[in-house]
Amino acid sequence: GESVGLHLPTLSVQEGDNSIINCAYSNSASDYFIWYKQESGKGPQFIIDIRSNMDKRQGQRVTVLLNKTVKHLSLQIAATQPGDSAVYFCAENRRTGRRALTFGSGTRLQVQP
Amino acid sequence: NAGVTQTPKFQVLKTGQSMTLQCAQDMNHNSMYWYRQDPGMGLRLIYYSASEGTTDKGEVPNGYNVSRLNKREFSLRLESAAPSQTSVYFCASSEVGGTGGNQPQHFGDGTRLSIL
Repeated sequence: GESVGLHLPTLSVQEGDNSIINCAYSNSASDYFIWYKQESGKGPQFIIDIRSNMDKRQGQRVTVLLNKTVKHLSLQIAATQPGDSAVYFCAENRRTGRRALTFGSGTRLQVQP
Repeated sequence: NAGVTQTPKFQVLKTGQSMTLQCAQDMNHNSMYWYRQDPGMGLRLIYYSASEGTTDKGEVPNGYNVSRLNKREFSLRLESAAPSQTSVYFCASSEVGGTGGNQPQHFGDGTRLSIL
């Protein structure tokens, strides 16, 4: 079936390095994508979103890239800090069908001091 | 600003018992959602309410019922709890859901439910 998935379950980076978390999606009808951060014991926290008519969007220390040709989404975190350690989820909002987000299984980011 | 508030935070039930999970949002959002999260997995949609007075099934609705009490509140009920329903339950809200307009969903901190 169609789904949103992630390439790597765990990503370990050194403090100060840049992090890149990847996500593949298979539904070409999706028109909206979101990245969430989830810390232990808490709910998902919105980081950044992007619509399908865009290729790139920047926030504070984060950038989301969307490649519709290969159905790929990535989250880049600049100068990764220990507080960035969490599980990151991508989610898509499909243009047709159920009105809600479809989540990937998540990538755990571990920041080494 | 509390955002999305869920109660209780933790609950242990015996098989066959019933309970209602409560959710309230103070952002004046139209749409509300219930998800479950199992270990190592993403969130799966149980039910959602696109607007006050409407509810629809999500990906995994069996064993659950919902009530959109008013614009602020959206409750999830387990009529006869089963061990397979042990999970963390998250409520979320958004200004507008689905194809009507894409806005991010905002989540509560979850209810951790164990069924023995």
